[in-house]
Amino acid sequence: KNQVEQSPQSLIILEGKNCTLQCNYTVSPFSNLRWYKQDTGRGPVSLTIMTFSENTKSNGRYTATLDADTKQSSLHITASQLSDSASYICVAWSGGSYIPTFGRGTSLIVHP
Amino acid sequence: GAVVSQHPSWVICKSGTSVKIECRSLDFQATTMFWYRQFPKQSLMLMATSNEGSKATYEQGVEKDKFLINHASLTLSTLTVTSAHPEDSSFYICSAEVAGVSGGYNEQFFGPGTRLTVL
Repeated sequence: KNQVEQSPQSLIILEGKNCTLQCNYTVSPFSNLRWYKQDTGRGPVSLTIMTFSENTKSNGRYTATLDADTKQSSLHITASQLSDSASYICVAWSGGSYIPTFGRGTSLIVHP
Repeated sequence: GAVVSQHPSWVICKSGTSVKIECRSLDFQATTMFWYRQFPKQSLMLMATSNEGSKATYEQGVEKDKFLINHASLTLSTLTVTSAHPEDSSFYICSAEVAGVSGGYNEQFFGPGTRLTVL
């Protein structure tokens, strides 16, 4: 069964600090992995997309890593801002059915 | 570009009534649209895949007679929750697929969601 596990479930940090969110996935066959940001009451917005051959990808202050051997990914947020407060969702796409498997998300709260 | 809208953004209805939710791709055509449901503090769960001009493909456990999906054009898909009950209260999100925009991979652009509350 395809699964995506994220940790921590929630995280509170001070503005300006860095943080790293984790994602473990079990998806076969694996196609690609994406990180999304979902503001409360809104739809997800794509941050990064990585295939098995890519180790790291950046999008502004967001840097995602992928280890296809251990099936782990991380999302690092640098110099956090209040607007970073949101749920961050890790999604793994399978190559066969092309159906996404969503993680439950990490709820990030950035305090001033 | 690649904006997806949903209407309404929220709806409150009485138990037993039907509710229609619209999903539109505003500046592009989408052959495929997806409907998701999200309960509080839970991940998005794919309900069905909607292809223009054909019947939707429902995920296991989703009642096709309860959640009617119509994809009449390349820019519009509708989800009708028939005979809604309180347990159908949820956040419904649609997405529209665009081919080959992210390193050759299809990208899904999500709508802002519709909050359904059934009394």
